[in-house]
Amino acid sequence: GIQVEQSPPDLILQEGANSTLRCNFSDSVNNLQWFHQNPWGQLINLFYIPSGTKQNGRLSATTVATERYSLLYISSSQTTDSGVYFCAVSGNDMRFGAGTRLTVKP
Amino acid sequence: GAGVSQTPSNKVTEKGKYVELRCDPISGHTALYWYRQSLGQGPEFLIYFQGTGAADDSGLPNDRFFAVRPEGSVSTLKIQRTERGDSAVYLCASSLAGGLGEQYFGPGTRLTVT
Repeated sequence: GIQVEQSPPDLILQEGANSTLRCNFSDSVNNLQWFHQNPWGQLINLFYIPSGTKQNGRLSATTVATERYSLLYISSSQTTDSGVYFCAVSGNDMRFGAGTRLTVKP
Repeated sequence: GAGVSQTPSNKVTEKGKYVELRCDPISGHTALYWYRQSLGQGPEFLIYFQGTGAADDSGLPNDRFFAVRPEGSVSTLKIQRTERGDSAVYLCASSLAGGLGEQYFGPGTRLTVT
């Protein structure tokens, strides 16, 4: 099956800093999603982005399907951005990466 | 509109017992998915329904796990002879489109097997 690798595994930022999270995948995919899992465990949709670039407020994402990676950008981070960010890809089934745990300190 | 709902939110059961976990997808979503998430890991795919039929059940770990979606809406994940290793958060998601379209997740059911 498809392998999904996310980096970095852990990231600690000061409030206001910018960050880039990366997702590499091992094969062609039909779909790719970014999620934020909040401290209560709820998975919140950030982007559905099988290719191209999207922006939503302080967050943006880019997927380069031909090179098998996606990037999630967080600008001007806030403490409420803390949590785990997952990349999930689907080819024949849906695979999640292990996530990036982000901690934003005030 | 209402999101994906799951019941119960928490379930504690003894080893060897049978449990049922329920998922109500977003109204009109034809596809429904079950995942399992252990502590510190990403969700692990279990099974995917398109309508009433299981389109892909390759993620079910063994024959103690079974899921149904008889009317193409609500789904029940059934676990027989529970083991302590089954303890995890069980997540349900639904999507509007067939195939593996954009998925929306419920809050999960935390299962603890003692």
